[in-house]
Amino acid sequence: QSVLTQPPSVSGAPGQRVTISCTGSRSNIGAGYNVHWYQQLPGTAPKLLIYANTNRPSGVPDRFSGSKSGTSASLAITGLQAEDEADYYCQSYDSLSASGVFGGGTKLTVL
Amino acid sequence: QITLKESGPTQVKPTQTLTLTCIFSGFSLSTNEVGVGWIRQPPGKALEWLALIYWDDDKRYSPSLKSRLTITKDTSKNQVVLTVTNMDPMDTATYYCAHSTLGGYNHWGQGTLVTVSS
Repeated sequence: QSVLTQPPSVSGAPGQRVTISCTGSRSNIGAGYNVHWYQQLPGTAPKLLIYANTNRPSGVPDRFSGSKSGTSASLAITGLQAEDEADYYCQSYDSLSASGVFGGGTKLTVL
Repeated sequence: QITLKESGPTQVKPTQTLTLTCIFSGFSLSTNEVGVGWIRQPPGKALEWLALIYWDDDKRYSPSLKSRLTITKDTSKNQVVLTVTNMDPMDTATYYCAHSTLGGYNHWGQGTLVTVSS
């Protein structure tokens, strides 16, 4: 069971907007630690999508955005495209364990 | 250009010790705020955070695996080594090393699949 909780799956039609939640606690997200998001296409290494809650690395389309509030964070994807079909993971730091933590991952299906 | 590559055995037997090496280029592990971490992913399952070593040799470990993990760095060789003792079939996974700044991992190796089987 992951320290950060994500929905196992989400889906949306092309062009639609979807959000993926990442729920933590007062020892990680709620303590103010940054949340990062990764996209993992089948058979490939994860790719950093959002860092430090809201920032996009260069080359990541602005269709992807991140937000954080309280003990949760969210990844939003607008203008959904077939190529967005992938697994998405959130990641943060937990002060109780003094270690990094990942969410359980969310599989995005583009209908 | 930052690159990382994992190397090590593709198969180990139960109870053996796994030693993985991450060879990187394009950055120095003596630069402030830089770290190199290890993350693994069992087949068909989620990412699992394992360990991280910082530029100042500070080390962090997954609490559930802490007794079995050791992470070290050789700054002069641009290498980070992870050892995992007492390997079990449940440790079968793709092991990734990754460059860390601001707590996130912005560059990843391709990963190496390690199978634990007798």
